[in-house]
Amino acid sequence: KQEVTQIPAALSVPEGENLVLNCSFTDSAIYNLQWFRQDPGKGLTSLLLIQSSQREQTSGRLNASLDKSSGRSTLYIAASQPGDSATYLCAVRDQGAQKLVFGQGTRLTINP
Amino acid sequence: DAGITQSPRHKVTETGTPVTLRCHQTENHRYMYWYRQDPGHGLRLIHYSYGVKDTDKGEVSDGYSVSRSKTEDFLLTLESATSSQTSVYFCAISDSWGNEQYFGPGTRLTVT
Repeated sequence: KQEVTQIPAALSVPEGENLVLNCSFTDSAIYNLQWFRQDPGKGLTSLLLIQSSQREQTSGRLNASLDKSSGRSTLYIAASQPGDSATYLCAVRDQGAQKLVFGQGTRLTINP
Repeated sequence: DAGITQSPRHKVTETGTPVTLRCHQTENHRYMYWYRQDPGHGLRLIHYSYGVKDTDKGEVSDGYSVSRSKTEDFLLTLESATSSQTSVYFCAISDSWGNEQYFGPGTRLTVT
């Protein structure tokens, strides 16, 4: 059974810092991995989708990497801003599966 | 943002009453999903649809039923609401299997 873990559960950094959020999964037979952000009381916003055959994906200040063999993905945020404060979730889709398996998220706070 | 709306956005109901949540999309996407989000459990798939009248169960489907009579609408029904179904419910859509999922704003349901 696939399990997804995100550590730490919460992270607080000063504005302007570059930071890395971590996601690990137990079964490497994944189809793809998706990163989301969730603002309090809101829905999920898709940030990046990275296919199992890819090593990384970039969108603006965000870069997601995937190491399937070690069961890890990282989300790199460059030059963090207060507006980046949110909970970041990663989710994996196993080969042949319909559902996404979500981690518990990392609650990120960027301090001005 | 993907054109996904959910109604109602908030609902309080009593144990034993039936409840129907609606998800409406304007993207003409084939796949639609219902998830619930609970502290300590993250997001879990309830049911999904892969076309009009084509639906299947997710990992936490007991006590829920779904229907999809039109491409744009996916209904989630709680036959007889219980307190354990107090949760935030999210609808998601995807244009094809394995592609990026886009989430709606959520419905907060409280069963008293």
